[in-house]
Amino acid sequence: AQSVTQLGSHVSVSEGALVLLRCNYSSSVPPYLFWYVQYPNQGLQLLLKYTSAATLVKGINGFEAEFKKSETSFHLTKPSAHMSDAAEYFCAVILGSGNTGKLIFGQGTTLQVKP
Amino acid sequence: EPEVTQTPSHQVTQMGQEVILRCVPISNHLYFYWYRQILGQKVEFLVSFYNNEISEKSEIFDDQFSVERPDGSNFTLKIRSTKLEDSAMYFCASRRTSGGNEQFFGPGTRLTVL
Repeated sequence: AQSVTQLGSHVSVSEGALVLLRCNYSSSVPPYLFWYVQYPNQGLQLLLKYTSAATLVKGINGFEAEFKKSETSFHLTKPSAHMSDAAEYFCAVILGSGNTGKLIFGQGTTLQVKP
Repeated sequence: EPEVTQTPSHQVTQMGQEVILRCVPISNHLYFYWYRQILGQKVEFLVSFYNNEISEKSEIFDDQFSVERPDGSNFTLKIRSTKLEDSAMYFCASRRTSGGNEQFFGPGTRLTVL
C-alpha cells in the first residue's frame, strides 16, 4: 500500500538550530510530494512541493526539501529555527498524475522551538 | 489573494442530528475535496469531486455522508446522522487542475458531536 511515513512525532530544537523533519514515502509511480504546515487552530498551509522538476525545492519561510528517489525520502530542512516555526508539519503525497489528486498525509511532526 | 472559506468555524450538534458543512472553493478551481482530522491524528481523505460528481471516496465516506455543489460556488458536506466518532476538524480543499498542482485548504470546521 502506498503510504507516507514521518519519523518522529515530536521534534524539539533550540532557536537558531537546524531543523530536520523526516518524510519517507512508498510509491510504485513517480509521486508528487508536499509539505504543509498547520499552526495552532488554523488550516493547512503549503510550504513547498516537488513535482519532478528540481530535486531541491525551496519553499516559504526559509524551508527547503530534497527529493531523493533512491532513498524514497523528502526530508524538510531549515538552517536556523525561529520561534515562529513551532507548528505541526505534514508530509503528503499525490500518487501519479492520472488519479483524482487525493493527498495521502503522514502522521505529522510537531516542531517545538526552545528559546 | 483568493482563498478557500468554510462555515461555520465550529459546529456543535447532538448525536443523530444532521449537519451541513459549507465551503466556498477558489472560483476558477475544478477539483474539490473534503478531508478530516480527528484530534491528535493525521489528516484523512474523505472524498473528491470533479465535474459535478464524486470521483473518489474513502471507506470513511459511507452512506451517512454526501457532498453537493448546489449553486456553482458552494461545496457542501452533509452528515445525515452524526455519531460521536464524527467529531473532528473537517477541511475543504480545492485545486485548479489535475496533476501535481497543490490543493488550497480552507481553515476548517470543527465539528463536535455530543
